[in-house]
Amino acid sequence: DAKTTQPPSMDCAEGRAANLPCNHSTISGNEYVYWYRQIHSQGPQYIIHGLKNNETNEMASLIITEDRKSSTLILPHATLRDTAVYYCIARYGQNFVFGPGTRLSVLP
Amino acid sequence: AAGVIQSPRHLIKEKRETATLKCYPIPRHDTVYWYQQGPGQDPQFLISFYEKMQSDKGSIPDRFSAQQFSDYHSELNMSSLELGDSALYFCASSLESSGRAFEQFFGPGTRLTVL
Repeated sequence: DAKTTQPPSMDCAEGRAANLPCNHSTISGNEYVYWYRQIHSQGPQYIIHGLKNNETNEMASLIITEDRKSSTLILPHATLRDTAVYYCIARYGQNFVFGPGTRLSVLP
Repeated sequence: AAGVIQSPRHLIKEKRETATLKCYPIPRHDTVYWYQQGPGQDPQFLISFYEKMQSDKGSIPDRFSAQQFSDYHSELNMSSLELGDSALYFCASSLESSGRAFEQFFGPGTRLTVL
């Protein structure tokens, strides 16, 4: 697995966009970038994934740089319920290694 | 919609005892994963099964074993329990045959406490 680096914590005001960065400079060509989140003591929840192109779904957008060495997860309108630990994983295959992630706090 | 079911939700055992955790995947899902999350730690992959065959192995101790049955439910068997085995154990399932193995659905977890 490619090593990923994320800031340990971030704050975001409710209603604003949350932009969570992830560095994966050693990613190889067949490794996808996955984002999961874990709300306190619940099981992790899939958010989005991508290989080369930017992706968008009902939860978030994923922006991957052209060289694939970094990516940004965007929650367009953060709510209090988006407070969680967000994990960026760069991997081929689906047996995920989580951690350490970014603890996002959405503030009222 | 049906979700992943895990039982029991809480379990208390003494050191050196055995424990069995059960996981019932989402109907028609063909792949099951087990993860362990210690206090204040991130989830760690233990083992996975695809169509009842072990597909990958992570940091699962030799004292643990798991299997997936014909009805696709899975059991994680833990023997000679140690204090350090106290953790949340998550089961997840996905539908690999549809190409959506990236989307794992996690259960609520079993909280194991070893005294």
